[in-house]
Amino acid sequence: LAKTTQPISMDSYEGQEVNITCSHNNIATNDYITWYQQFPSQGPRFIIQGYKTKVTNEVASLFIPADRKSSTLSLPRVSLSDTAVYYCLVGDAYNQGGKLIFGQGTELSVKP
Amino acid sequence: GAVVSQHPSWVICKSGTSVKIECRSLDFQATTMFWYRQFPKQSLMLMATSNEGSKATYEQGVEKDKFLINHASLTLSTLTVTSAHPEDSSFYICSVPSTGELFFGEGSRLTVL
Repeated sequence: LAKTTQPISMDSYEGQEVNITCSHNNIATNDYITWYQQFPSQGPRFIIQGYKTKVTNEVASLFIPADRKSSTLSLPRVSLSDTAVYYCLVGDAYNQGGKLIFGQGTELSVKP
Repeated sequence: GAVVSQHPSWVICKSGTSVKIECRSLDFQATTMFWYRQFPKQSLMLMATSNEGSKATYEQGVEKDKFLINHASLTLSTLTVTSAHPEDSSFYICSVPSTGELFFGEGSRLTVL
């Protein structure tokens, strides 16, 4: 299972775009990249998943370069409620039965 | 997506007692479920893989005799913390995989006095 490296913490202000980059140098060919959000005392919640290039949904975008050794989660116009820990996970969830290992995550603090 | 429910949400027990935590997949049959543990200000640590109809698979360093896992049906997995001690106090979270995504329960906070 590929190891991931993220910044431990980030600060932002309401209305700004936030980009969190995750490094995963030993990503395997079949691995997907998935981002989760976790609020205190709650289970993580799925944000977005991608394999290559760019993926966008109603809450975020995920940018993956051609070499796939890193990925960037982009949160447009953050609000106070986006204050949470964000985890980047890499793995072949489809063929590994969903077994994914969490890295340290990035604690995002959004200020007024 | 799949809905996963954990019970209880929080539990306080005395040292030496055993505590059972349930994880239910409400709308999806799961042959596999995962149990994680999370200490304050730390990431989730995978404890074990719960397999329906067979023994659980434990991660390195996790005591299988202390953390008993039973996956009796396709919708229920239980984690029993036996002879709990204060150092077992933590946030326990289960997850269910579905179509390449993990769906997590709300978590169960265990406090051992």
